[in-house]
Amino acid sequence: DAGVIQSPRHEVTEMGQEVTLRCKPISGHNSLFWYRQTMMRGLELLIYFNNNVPIDDSGMPEDRFSAKMPNASFSTLKIQPSEPRDSAVYFCASSFARGLSTDTQYFGPGTRLTVL
Amino acid sequence: KNQVEQSPQSLIILEGKNCTLQCNYTVSPFSNLRWYKQDTGRGPVSLTIMTFSENTKSNGRYTATLDADTKQSSLHITASQLSDSASYICVVSEGGMLTFGGGTRLMVKP
Repeated sequence: DAGVIQSPRHEVTEMGQEVTLRCKPISGHNSLFWYRQTMMRGLELLIYFNNNVPIDDSGMPEDRFSAKMPNASFSTLKIQPSEPRDSAVYFCASSFARGLSTDTQYFGPGTRLTVL
Repeated sequence: KNQVEQSPQSLIILEGKNCTLQCNYTVSPFSNLRWYKQDTGRGPVSLTIMTFSENTKSNGRYTATLDADTKQSSLHITASQLSDSASYICVVSEGGMLTFGGGTRLMVKP
C-alpha cells in the first residue's frame, strides 16, 4: 500500500493567491483528517470527514479555508486568499474508523506551504 | 481550558540508554490518549493508543503508561537507538475534540 499521498510536497506562493492542497487516503479507510503544524502552535486538527461527509470543521481557522471530499479517494484543502500566517506544514491522515475513535490514523508526508 | 503539557521540551541521551517522556493533561472527560513519533520532515506515526481502562501498552521498545486518576501518561523508551531521534507528541481525545501537546524533541547520540 502506498500510504496516504499528498501533493504538492512543497508550495510557495504569494499573498493573496489561491492554494489547493490534495490528499489521497489509504484505500478502504473511511475517515480523513486535515492537520496543520507550525512551530508556534504545534499540531492542530482543522477538519475531519467520515464517509466523505464533513463531521467537524471547528478547527478551520477562517472562512478563507475550505475543504472538500468529493469521493472516498480524494480530498482538497483550499486557502483563498492565502496570507503569510498560513505558512505551515499541512498533513492529511486517514483511518478505518469513524471520527476520533481509537483506530490508528495514518499520516501523509505533508505539504510545506510558504506564503510570501 | 483543556491542556496537554509535555516534559521535557527536549532531551539528549546516549545510545543504549533508557528515557521517559511525560504527558500531563487536564482534558475532561477523557476518551483516549495517543503517543506519536514524528521524524524530522515526516508525518507523525502512531506508537500507542490507550483508553481510560488501560494502564500500560507496549509497542516494541516503547511502553506507554496511563494514570487516569492523576491524568498523567508517560512514554518509556528502552535501549534507545539513533533512529529514536524524533519528536514525540501526546494527543488526548475528548469526545469530538483532540488536544495536542507541544511535543518532546529527543536526540539520541552515539
